[in-house]
Formats: sequence, C-alpha cells, structure tokens
Amino acid sequence: SQTIHQWPATLVQPVGSPLSLECTVEGTSNPNLYWYRQAAGRGLQLLFYSVGIGQISSEVPQNLSASRPQDRQFILSSKKLLLSDSGFYLCAWREGGREIGELFFGEGSRLTVL
Amino acid sequence: GQNIDQPTEMTATEGAIVQINCTYQTSGFNGLFWYQQHAGEAPTFLSYNVLDGLEEKGRFSSFLSRSKGYSYLLLKELQMKDSASYLCAPLDSNYQLIWGAGTKLIIKP
Repeated sequence: SQTIHQWPATLVQPVGSPLSLECTVEGTSNPNLYWYRQAAGRGLQLLFYSVGIGQISSEVPQNLSASRPQDRQFILSSKKLLLSDSGFYLCAWREGGREIGELFFGEGSRLTVL
Repeated sequence: GQNIDQPTEMTATEGAIVQINCTYQTSGFNGLFWYQQHAGEAPTFLSYNVLDGLEEKGRFSSFLSRSKGYSYLLLKELQMKDSASYLCAPLDSNYQLIWGAGTKLIIKP
C-alpha cells in the first residue's frame, strides 16, 4: 500500500532563518506531488506541484522554493523565512498520469515564524 | 475569478442529520471533492462527484448540481467523531483543486 510521510511535524523558526520540509511517498512510482499551505480560517493554497523529477510548477510567487531530487521525494525550502510564512504545510500525492484522482495528504508540518 | 462559498461553522446534535452546502464558481469544471479535516490533522477524502445527482457512501452522501454550481454533503446519524472541518473542492479546467475555507462542524451530545 502507498504511504506518505512529511517532517518535521512542528517547528519554530526565527525570521530570516532557512527552512527545509521534506516529504516522501512509498508504494507508488512517478506520483504527482504537491505542497499546500493552510492559514487559519482559509482554504488550502497550492504552492508547488511536480509531475516528475526536476519538474516544478510554482503557483504563488513567494520566498519559498521546491525541489524534487528523486521520484518520490519532494522538498520545500526557504533561504530566509518571513513572519507571513507561518502556517500548516501539507504535502500530498496523486497517482501519476491521472488528472482526476483523490489526493492523499501527509501528516502536515506546523511552522511558526517568530 | 474562482470562488468557493461554504458556511463557516455549523452545530448539530449527536444522532441527527446535517447538510453542509457549497456553492462554487470556477474556470471550467471537472468534478467536486469533499474532504474531512480534524483539527490539527491532514484532510482525508470523503467523496467525488462529477455527474449531477446524489452519491451515497454509508452515513455520508454528496450531491452535485453542475448547472447551479452547487453541492452539499449530507451526514446522517451524527457521531461525536464527526466533529471536524469539511472542505469543498471543485476541480477546475486545469485539473487543479480550488479549496474552500471549510465548514467547521460541531457535534453536541
């Protein structure tokens, strides 16, 4: 069966510090991968998605970046965090090659920038 | 623009029935998803509708009217564990999910 894991689950970072969130998927190959951010009281905001290794589409201009160094690994990064980067970050996957399909989410990473 | 409208919060009694409405405006339409999200956790899939009508899955049912840009989620025989946020998310012409802010459902004994 397929599983998705992301870490760390919780982190508190000072403004201006770097960020790295990691997500891995097991039990499937060539998945579509997604990074979302959820602010309190708001809908999920799509940040990045990837349909293959090295292929990253950015949906929202910001100081975040994403990379997909391996087929089932998706990383969200920042060189310098802003207060507005605080939120609940969710990694998700969907079966590759399927435009319509259920999204499966990781456990989430709660980031607080102070 | 793209817009999703759901009630912010609803309260219902254990054992009762509740209907959560969602209206949407999207650029194209390729179906609509409902997800459940418990506080502090990730969303989990509940249902997907692409054709008009009612889809029933156990205690949960979901309805879609494409001409009205309207969907609802019906929860029967409410249990305390159903206390959660319910997210409506239509799929647009680019096959991207457009997420509503969700409806927080509070179940009282």
